[in-house]
Amino acid sequence: FMLTQPHSVSESPGKTVTFSCTRSSGSIASNYVQWYQQRPGSAPTLLISEDSDRPSGVPDRFSGSIDTSSNSASLTISGLKTEDEADYYCQSYDSSIWVFGGGTKLTVL
Amino acid sequence: ELQLVESGGGLVQPGRSLRLSCAASGFPFDDYAMHWVRQAPGKGLEWVSGISWNGGGIDYEDSVKGRFTISRDNAKNSLYLQMNSLRAEDTAVFFCAKDIGTGYGKYDRYLDLWGRGTLVTVSS
Repeated sequence: FMLTQPHSVSESPGKTVTFSCTRSSGSIASNYVQWYQQRPGSAPTLLISEDSDRPSGVPDRFSGSIDTSSNSASLTISGLKTEDEADYYCQSYDSSIWVFGGGTKLTVL
Repeated sequence: ELQLVESGGGLVQPGRSLRLSCAASGFPFDDYAMHWVRQAPGKGLEWVSGISWNGGGIDYEDSVKGRFTISRDNAKNSLYLQMNSLRAEDTAVFFCAKDIGTGYGKYDRYLDLWGRGTLVTVSS
């Protein structure tokens, strides 16, 4: 299966933005979805695990969810800050297959 | 401090070999599976290979099977990737990453710690 993300999103500081990650086949609920943040020139960091859990240290401005009707996962960032400008990748795993979405570039302007 | 530090990248000609290393610290290395993930310039993330906590379980992405070999030395808290017959399309930053589990059993895997990466450039 594949995970499809929009290529880019732009929003203003203080606003709320939501990214989608659509699974091509099989149910989005079949396997957990994770979200990683990658700031320019840096390594990815785990932002959301198991669809909606925030690892220790991740601000509650970040939240994740899944929607079985659209077969997609979503990452929402509220109270946008300029430091949130980064690439965001969704990821899932099924039967020895690792799948990453193509990533969404967030511009905060 | 939890940390993964990669080394060994560089410029190499097509067809040649390179060995990447990853030094782990701050967590019980031999409790976790480990992985290599790469990112070609301007592209997204691609899982390359993974190894279980004791080295008994190993997987590869199809395009590197037969060319790359992953290994680990738990006594040295280190992960390795031997890359042979390198191709231009292998040019990427290679990240070392920690699995949430041992690599055995049925569970949805993901990566909760990443290194900063090492750049591999394959060019004549």
